[in-house]
Amino acid sequence: NAGVMQNPRHLVRRRGQEARLRCSPMKGHSHVYWYRQLPEEGLKFMVYLQKENIIDESGMPKERFSAEFPKEGPSILRIQQVVRGDSAAYFCASSPPGTGWSTEAFFGQGTRLTVV
Amino acid sequence: AQSVSQHNHHVILSEAASLELGCNYSYGGTVNLFWYVQYPGQHLQLLLKYFSGDPLVKGIKGFEAEFIKSKFSFNLRKPSVQWSDTAEYFCAGLSGSARQLTFGSGTQLTVLP
Repeated sequence: NAGVMQNPRHLVRRRGQEARLRCSPMKGHSHVYWYRQLPEEGLKFMVYLQKENIIDESGMPKERFSAEFPKEGPSILRIQQVVRGDSAAYFCASSPPGTGWSTEAFFGQGTRLTVV
Repeated sequence: AQSVSQHNHHVILSEAASLELGCNYSYGGTVNLFWYVQYPGQHLQLLLKYFSGDPLVKGIKGFEAEFIKSKFSFNLRKPSVQWSDTAEYFCAGLSGSARQLTFGSGTQLTVLP
């Protein structure tokens, strides 16, 4: 049973380009969470999705950031017109349906985005 | 607002020393608390969690944590650290009404051989 898979592991983008980060949850998991870790800081919640639904996006920046979790395929975190301040590690976690964090949610290895 | 704070940003110990990493939370109501470890270049791994019951929680790799409600604390302990414990440690909390974990800023532990 593969864990939470994130790709790419490392992504370099020039300012103004788009970044697409992918997260494939563990088999049987239908809840996905995205977190961002800025240098020297802890993880900050961004968005919580279930299949085809955004449940909580209170941590998402108002502009340029979007997330989706389609019926088929991985969850995508999309950052348009990236700026240097978007450089961070982006982590995805997944959990089984109906449980959330009350059981264990598993994290992926993260995508390290560098904006040059 | 919910918050989790870790006051030790960097801790350096020699092998076999005892470890205690501080974690304080500010929540009302039901509190669920977690400790995660992140080894260099790897994903976060759950060390232990507290939901209810015995406030002394045993985790993996010889770690334990004690939930002290009166002090709003959930400190992580290990009696004797190893070089392989070098990693970053995150405390996190989940209030009864929230759907997401709130993380502390992390403590980098360096264990010298």
